[in-house]
Amino acid sequence: QITLKESGLTLVKPTQTLTLTCTFSGFSLRTSGVGVGWIRQPPGKALEWLALIYWNDDKIYTPSLRTKITITKDTPRNRVVLTMTNLDPVDTATYFCAHIRQYYDRFSGDYVPLVDYWGQGTLVTVSS
Amino acid sequence: DIQMTQSPSTLSASVGDRVTITCRASQSISSWLAWFQQKPGKAPKLLIYEASTLESGVPLRFSGSGSGTEFTLTISSLQPDDFATYYCQQYNTYITFGQGTKLEIK
Repeated sequence: QITLKESGLTLVKPTQTLTLTCTFSGFSLRTSGVGVGWIRQPPGKALEWLALIYWNDDKIYTPSLRTKITITKDTPRNRVVLTMTNLDPVDTATYFCAHIRQYYDRFSGDYVPLVDYWGQGTLVTVSS
Repeated sequence: DIQMTQSPSTLSASVGDRVTITCRASQSISSWLAWFQQKPGKAPKLLIYEASTLESGVPLRFSGSGSGTEFTLTISSLQPDDFATYYCQQYNTYITFGQGTKLEIK
């Protein structure tokens, strides 16, 4: 059974750095084709994908936030960490981590990431 | 960036109705499209991936179709548990979500 849970500070001041940890069970980042991603959702708004990291340490970031976020993994401890710098009130959102399984696209020769299992999410508020 | 546009934004329907939600991609995404259901205060739940493949455990009244830039999610006979917000998501190039369709009780 795959489970994920997000943890970290829930109230952060503008310009500060946010560190969120995703702790998971039921799978390992030693397994080929597996990854973990982060997605956020501002209150009452749509979902926005932020970043993902694969079993082989490949990392992909959403282009608009590429300079603001960093994703890393701690494979032995089954954790993935998202760091976001220079926070602004617009970063107020529920942050979800999720399990990803890779699929091979035989037309492009690339791998594509399917988000399947999600954590419960953690609400982060950016306010002075 | 690939933009995903869902329609309608809100859909009012009754138990037993057949409903369809449409999702359009700004460029071809082949069949790399997923549909999620989200209820208030909860994480999204994967319903369909690769445009038409039903995730394990998802009721057969849900179905998906399409390829390229036009996709649909159909619920054949609405049940009380189906009233929620639905999101499409492309995973051909990075990951982007549609803006959501809120399915509410008429």
